[in-house]
Amino acid sequence: DAGVIQSPRHEVTEMGQEVTLRCKPISGHDYLFWYRQTMMRGLELLIYFNNNVPIDDSGMPEDRFSAKMPNASFSTLKIQPSEPRDSAVYFCASTKGRTNEKLFFGSGTQLSVL
Amino acid sequence: GNSVTQMEGPVTLSEEAFLTINCTYTATGYPSLFWYVQYPGEGLQLLLKATKADDKGSNKGFEATYRKETTSFHLEKGSVQVSDSAVYFCARWNSGNTPLVFGKGTRLSVIA
Repeated sequence: DAGVIQSPRHEVTEMGQEVTLRCKPISGHDYLFWYRQTMMRGLELLIYFNNNVPIDDSGMPEDRFSAKMPNASFSTLKIQPSEPRDSAVYFCASTKGRTNEKLFFGSGTQLSVL
Repeated sequence: GNSVTQMEGPVTLSEEAFLTINCTYTATGYPSLFWYVQYPGEGLQLLLKATKADDKGSNKGFEATYRKETTSFHLEKGSVQVSDSAVYFCARWNSGNTPLVFGKGTRLSVIA
């Protein structure tokens, strides 16, 4: 299996621009998670989906952030407008079943907002 | 609530040194406990786990024992290698439809 695939690996953008991060989970996995990693706050759960439905988005920092999962093989995390404090590594992870113990992570997207 | 506390990093060790990274958790319910590892430029991956008190998880020379009496799950390795340089995350999971809760991570650097 190809694993969880994220794109792009690196994104550099200017403040105010829209940013879209993409994720393809492992085939057959029914849970998908978006995390943000920074030096200050560590690994934060932003939102997660089960069978394409958002279950908990309480970690989304503000309305500028939105996430969708239109089908079982694709999810996006959008930031509009972006700000310098959004600079971080964004990870997507997936797993199968209700036992969310073993997550499979993508390699992340390094976002820099100038 | 459900939380995990890890020792602050970074930790710098010489090759073949003994490693301990402390982790404690809040005693809500009977969680399963995990260590994940993040190598440079990669996502996290599961290193080991323990699902009940007194269980010992082990993998790649690393070990951690689920200590209910001290609510701890410290990670240990007897002889670290340069290739062990990574960020290590302790995590807990309660049964049911809930996600993992991660600690903040501890960066380990092993020098030759």
